[in-house]
Amino acid sequence: GENVEQHPSTLSVQEGDSAVIKCTYSDSASNYFPWYKQELGKRPQLIIDIRSNVGEKKDQRIAVTLNKTAKHFSLHITETQPEDSAVYFCAAFIQGYIPTFGRGTSLIVHP
Amino acid sequence: EAGVAQSPRYKIIEKRQSVAFWCNPISGHATLYWYQQILGQGPKLLIQFQNNGVVDDSQLPKDRFSAERLKGVDSTLKIQPAKLEDSAVYLCASSLVVGFQETQYFGPGTRLLVL
Repeated sequence: GENVEQHPSTLSVQEGDSAVIKCTYSDSASNYFPWYKQELGKRPQLIIDIRSNVGEKKDQRIAVTLNKTAKHFSLHITETQPEDSAVYFCAAFIQGYIPTFGRGTSLIVHP
Repeated sequence: EAGVAQSPRYKIIEKRQSVAFWCNPISGHATLYWYQQILGQGPKLLIQFQNNGVVDDSQLPKDRFSAERLKGVDSTLKIQPAKLEDSAVYLCASSLVVGFQETQYFGPGTRLLVL
């Protein structure tokens, strides 16, 4: 089955700095890679996703990059704000429909 | 558009008791997922349905967990008997199936504590 490694487990930044979270996957059949934000006690919410035919995708302050050869993908958040503080999860979907999640990264943005 | 609904929101039981969770996906969503999220970890897929058929249940502990989606809409997940290590949040999610790689929408989850 798929194995998704996510790093770092905790990331602390100052407001306005950039944050980068990285995930690696093992199954070359994975072709869909979403990122979720989960605030304390709430449900995961999709913030951005990328499909294997695309190398990079951007949505305002958030971007995701994918390197299929190396089997890794990354979430980039620029100009971080305190409300970005949450746990972020990456996921890889085998053949687009069977998901495996990473263990999560706790992002803390200090004002 | 109404979101994914789950009930109950919280449940406390003693070990060896039984418990059932209910999920109502977004209207028209053919794919339904049940996840177990242990504190400090990412969601782990337990079972995935497309309409009323099982797509994947390889990580479902079938000796104690069962799930059904009889009419291809609502779903129930049951644990019988519960163990201490089953304490977790059980998340239901749904997605449209127009090809694959569809966005998942999560419900609020059921927080289970087994004493």
